[in-house]
Amino acid sequence: SAVISQKPSRDICQRGTSLTIQCQVDSQVTMMFWYRQQPGQSLTLIATANQGSEATYESGFVIDKFPISRPNLTFSTLTVSNMSPEDSSIYLCSVAQGPDQPQHFGDGTRLSIL
Amino acid sequence: AQKVTQAQTEISVVEKEDVTLDCVYETRDTTYYLFWYKQPPSGELVFLIRRNSFDEQNEISGRYSWNFQKSTSSFNFTITASQVVDSAVYFCALRGSYGNNRLAFGKGNQVVVIP
Repeated sequence: SAVISQKPSRDICQRGTSLTIQCQVDSQVTMMFWYRQQPGQSLTLIATANQGSEATYESGFVIDKFPISRPNLTFSTLTVSNMSPEDSSIYLCSVAQGPDQPQHFGDGTRLSIL
Repeated sequence: AQKVTQAQTEISVVEKEDVTLDCVYETRDTTYYLFWYKQPPSGELVFLIRRNSFDEQNEISGRYSWNFQKSTSSFNFTITASQVVDSAVYFCALRGSYGNNRLAFGKGNQVVVIP
């Protein structure tokens, strides 16, 4: 399966600032996704990153708060904007080669907001 | 809507014991996919298995086995002769026929293997 690299692996940020998380894949993939995992919780899909167009957001997530880019088939970014302590989570990128293929995940970005 | 229920939150077993994790799902789709993922303490999510709704054969991979019962909407996971390295959170997930490969995750089972 594809090798997925996420940067940064962790960060501690100040309230009100923004952080951009990068997801790089070593091969072209059809589908890329961003998930959030709050402490001790399951994974929740934030959005599907669409190549060359606006991301598709899930209910409860908006573009102003979580802008996403996907300029090509191997790279995507997620920005967490105007952060508050409630945004402290693990953010994970996943990829799949098709709608019926399993998703494979990056190692995640552990984000803490003070 | 898709829903996955993993009722057991934390399970502790002594090394070499077997442990079974229950997963019950809900979907109106006739075609769907079920998955299990492992999340060790290091945090990465590791894909273990995918099963589609038309394949009810059970599967064994080393010490891992999966029992898919469509009649009871369950996709249970058994670890045989558990080892300390099996300590992790295990997530069951479901994807329906429609949408964009969106996965619905259960809350996860925290497995603690005691040496």
